[in-house]
Amino acid sequence: AQTVTQSQPEMSVQEAETVTLSCTYDTSESDYYLFWYKQPPSRQMILVIRQEAYKQQNATENRFSVNFQKAAKSFSLKISDSQLGDAAMYFCAYRTFNFGNEKLTFGTGTRLTIIP
Amino acid sequence: DAGVTQSPTHLIKTRGQQVTLRCSPKSGHDTVSWYQQALGQGPQFIFQYYEEEERQRGNFPDRFSGHQFPNYSSELNVNALLLGDSALYLCASSPAGETDTQYFGPGTRLTVL
Repeated sequence: AQTVTQSQPEMSVQEAETVTLSCTYDTSESDYYLFWYKQPPSRQMILVIRQEAYKQQNATENRFSVNFQKAAKSFSLKISDSQLGDAAMYFCAYRTFNFGNEKLTFGTGTRLTIIP
Repeated sequence: DAGVTQSPTHLIKTRGQQVTLRCSPKSGHDTVSWYQQALGQGPQFIFQYYEEEERQRGNFPDRFSGHQFPNYSSELNVNALLLGDSALYLCASSPAGETDTQYFGPGTRLTVL
């Protein structure tokens, strides 16, 4: 079974600075998807960024980028120019590539605080 | 275009009761998944519905059951509620033919007393 580990329960960063959130996972599969979701106090889980394992290029979405290290099974999220609205719980998630087996496996989350 | 909607927003039940939670997927989405998120934890997969059938199930007892309707909306039913069932229940939908990304609703907060 796949597992996802987020070893940083809490992180804080000064507004406008850069922060990196860590995620490691365990799988025996070669093709899969990885995601970062953001959950603000409103509780709604919002997709931040996704990465297909077969793509070597790291995904980027505006101020958010990932460092995907397939051999090391590492998938970190970098947030540049941090803003107050980035404060939230961040969850790393894994999904197998197989059609019909589409559950997301989540880590335990990292609470990100933005310091004004 | 409305996103994923869930009802009710929150509810309180007592042990032994039954509860039904509802989810309407995003327009154009035909696959619905349900997750349970205990306080301070990541979401745990309960089950997924596609074409009105349960396609995949997580490690949850039979007290948890579901249904998907022809319009793709879905219900989650929990019988014989336990204190440990208190959690945020999240519904997620996926677009037809593009099941790699799931879009989440705001959740239903269930408190069991």
